[in-house]
Amino acid sequence: AQKVTQAQTEISVVEKEDVTLDCVYETRDTTYYLFWYKQPPSGELVFLIRRNSFDEQNEISGRYSWNFQKSTSSFNFTITASQVVDSAVYFCALSVDSGSARQLTFGSGTQLTVLP
Amino acid sequence: DADVTQTPRNRITKTGKRIMLECSQTKGHDRMYWYRQDPGLGLRLIYYSFDVKDINKGEISDGYSVSRQAQAKFSLSLESAIPNQTALYFCATSNGWGGVRTGELFFGEGSRLTVL
Repeated sequence: AQKVTQAQTEISVVEKEDVTLDCVYETRDTTYYLFWYKQPPSGELVFLIRRNSFDEQNEISGRYSWNFQKSTSSFNFTITASQVVDSAVYFCALSVDSGSARQLTFGSGTQLTVLP
Repeated sequence: DADVTQTPRNRITKTGKRIMLECSQTKGHDRMYWYRQDPGLGLRLIYYSFDVKDINKGEISDGYSVSRQAQAKFSLSLESAIPNQTALYFCATSNGWGGVRTGELFFGEGSRLTVL
C-alpha cells in the first residue's frame, strides 16, 4: 500500500520569507510518480509538478523549487520569497505504476498562510 | 466556462435523504473520478471510471454509488445520506493511463455537502 505523510498541518510565515513544505512517501514499487497540488481559498485543485522515480533532478520554476530524495523518500517543496497569494493548502500525492493501483494517494495537506 | 463542472456547488440535506452530485466535462477525457476531502485527511478516492462501461471502487466506496451516463458525465449518489458524509466532494478527469501517471488530473470546483 502507498502512503504520503505531510507532517506539517499548518505553517505561517511573513511575506518574503522562504518556506519549505515537507512530504514523505512510502511505496514498495520501484516505479512511481510524485506530485504537488495547490488548493487556494477558492477551493479548486491546481496541479503544480510531477516527478517520476527515475528522475531525481531537482526542479525550479520561478519562486518554486522541489527537492526529490529517494534515499529519504522525500519530495519537499520550497517557496522562495513567499507572497500572500501563495496562501493555500498544498497537497503532496503519489501514484504507482501498478495495474491495481491506478490512482493518486494524497497526503493530508499543509495549510500555508503568508502574512503581509 | 469550467472544463469540469460540478452541480450542485453547495447542498444541505437531512439524514436519510437521497443525494446526487453531478459532474460533466468538456475535456474529452475518458477517465473520471470522485474524491472526497475532509479536514486533516486530504483527498480520498470514492469511485473511478476508465470508460462508460468501466466502474471501479476506490478507497472509501461504502455508502456511495456512481453512474457513468456518458463519456462526459459521471454522477455520485448517496442513497441514504448520513452526517459523516458531510464533506467537500471533487470530480476529476484524466486522459488515459498517461494522465494518471503524470498526475494531471483536472478537478472540478468541488461540491460542499452538509448532512444534518
